[in-house]
Amino acid sequence: NAGVTQTPKFQVLKTGQSMTLQCAQDMNHNSMYWYRQDPGMGLRLIYYSASEGTTDKGEVPNGYNVSRLNKREFSLRLESAAPSQTSVYFCASRSTSGAYEQYFGPGTRLTVT
Amino acid sequence: GQQVMQIPQYQHVQEGEDFTTYCNSSTTLSNIQWYKQRPGGHPVFLIQLVKSGEVKKQKRLTFQFGEAKKNSSLHITATQTTDVGTYFCAGTALRTTGKLIFGQGTTLQVKP
Repeated sequence: NAGVTQTPKFQVLKTGQSMTLQCAQDMNHNSMYWYRQDPGMGLRLIYYSASEGTTDKGEVPNGYNVSRLNKREFSLRLESAAPSQTSVYFCASRSTSGAYEQYFGPGTRLTVT
Repeated sequence: GQQVMQIPQYQHVQEGEDFTTYCNSSTTLSNIQWYKQRPGGHPVFLIQLVKSGEVKKQKRLTFQFGEAKKNSSLHITATQTTDVGTYFCAGTALRTTGKLIFGQGTTLQVKP
């Protein structure tokens, strides 16, 4: 199993450009999440999807949109990137048993100039 | 909204010394999870605590959940260089499922 995969690993955008961050999991998990990580701020939830076909806002959704394409894939879109969106973005999926822990992808390091 | 505060933000220790990070929630939690993130890596699940007053051990790591289910701690005995990284607590509020509120993390540096 590859677990949670994310593409790209690194990206540099100019202010106003758009892009989509891709995430996929092969663990048959129902719930998936997008977080951003900034120094001293921990992990902040942007959007999540409790199951295929549903999405909900998290703590910091402004400037982002998401699509739960199918059970495996959950993408994050920046329509008009701003320097404040410079961050490391992590996708995660949630186990369906045991501790219901979250499994994280390797992250995307995004810089907006 | 619900907040989870974690202290200290940074801790530098000499190898062999002990280390503790503390986590406090503004509201009662149904459970708390701990994650470790190595430098340049992604968070990895360590453990979950569910019961009031629960204590769990993983080798040199001891995790506690407070009686009121609003605070938690992680204690590492005799740190090693492999313990380097950022430790996050993450709580689930009562009457919610699936959403974790993360603390800001404690970054541990260990000097050999």
